Amino acid sequence: GQQVMQIPQYQHVQEGEDFTTYCNSSTTLSNIQWYKQRPGGHPVFLIQLVKSGEVKKQKRLTFQFGEAKKNSSLHITATQTTDVGTYFCAGRGAGSYQLTFGKGTKLSVIP
Amino acid sequence: DAGVIQSPRHEVTEMGQEVTLRCKPISGHDYLFWYRQTMMRGLELLIYFNNNVPIDDSGMPEDRFSAKMPNASFSTLKIQPSEPRDSAVYFCASSLNLGGANVLTFGAGSRLTVL
Repeated sequence: GQQVMQIPQYQHVQEGEDFTTYCNSSTTLSNIQWYKQRPGGHPVFLIQLVKSGEVKKQKRLTFQFGEAKKNSSLHITATQTTDVGTYFCAGRGAGSYQLTFGKGTKLSVIP
Repeated sequence: DAGVIQSPRHEVTEMGQEVTLRCKPISGHDYLFWYRQTMMRGLELLIYFNNNVPIDDSGMPEDRFSAKMPNASFSTLKIQPSEPRDSAVYFCASSLNLGGANVLTFGAGSRLTVL
């Protein structure tokens, strides 16, 4: 079945440093979504990427979808303490409504 | 809209007991998903429904788990009998299929502890 790998599992950064998490799928995806889960909370949708090579920005967050639609990344510029949480990618295969989640990258920001 | 509503928020039970988790999706959403989250296995899809019909239950661990959606506004996930390894946070999520864009809105989760 479809597998979505996400690295790193944990990342500790100093406030103001940049952060990147990477997502790789074993199969070609129709689209990929990113979610953020704050400590003790539930996953909250951030963005969806659909097109090959697509790049989207949300303030300090930059999301990319690979040309082959098998990998994606989330980059945060100048992290803040409010960025703390676990970031999940979730991929959807062609013709499927099922999302397969990566295991997430837990971000800690040291003030 | 109040979002996806799950109950109970916390459940502590003893091994062998029956556990029922409940979910009220967002009104108008046509998909409902049950996920289980643990440190070791992350977010696992257990089952999902489309228009109240179960579509894929291949993620349900074993026969002790069952899920129903009797109508568009209510779903249950039942574990009978429960075991300590079932301890996890169970999330319900709903979505509306808009031209292939199927964004999940998660409930707050039900944290289950089986002693």
